[in-house]
Amino acid sequence: QVQLQESGPGLVKPSETLSLTCTVSGGSISSYYWSWIRQPPGKGLEWIGYIYSSGSTKYNPSLKSRVTISVDTSKNQFSLKLSSVTAADTAVYYCAGGRWYRVDYWGQGTLVTVSS
Amino acid sequence: NFMLTQPHSVSESPGKTVTISCTRSSGSIASNYVQWYQQRPGSSPTTVISEDNESPSGVPHRFSGSIDSSSNSASLTISGLKSEDEADYYCQSYDSNTWVFGGGTKLTVL
Repeated sequence: QVQLQESGPGLVKPSETLSLTCTVSGGSISSYYWSWIRQPPGKGLEWIGYIYSSGSTKYNPSLKSRVTISVDTSKNQFSLKLSSVTAADTAVYYCAGGRWYRVDYWGQGTLVTVSS
Repeated sequence: NFMLTQPHSVSESPGKTVTISCTRSSGSIASNYVQWYQQRPGSSPTTVISEDNESPSGVPHRFSGSIDSSSNSASLTISGLKSEDEADYYCQSYDSNTWVFGGGTKLTVL
């Protein structure tokens, strides 16, 4: 069974870059599409983007100018960078895996707070 | 981009059947698969329906999905409601540019 674990700072200052890593275990990172999805406190889910093992990416148009998703197949990890963050980027960030149109596996999520 | 609209909340009694709708604002609901995710309080989402009406392994057969092209909507139906079904439910679909999640429906089992 594929398992995912997010890691990274829980507090980021406004205008800085949020960086998170997801470690995949129990399966090959080459077999699925890997997504980042976030959920502001008390609100719904928002797709950020995905990457395939080849490095091909697709991003949410509303975040595209600030988002970079990358993959390191040697470490079975993929990463998220979100630049120029504001308080509106405060959310639980989930990494997820599945097909290019759906999630099959979810991480446990990590809360990132943007505050000075 | 399109939107997916869900009712904010629904409630029903144990043992009954409830249906949650998900209406697509533009483009055909039948053109792209719809998924449904369950999120219990304090937990990550899990998939209860994929590809419009497929139940992943381990999901009770009480959960079913359907598509209605006439109303351009998808539906999640839960029969034989149990207290453990109380959760937020999100529909999700996509087009060539993006994934879209519905705003979520809070199901209360009275």
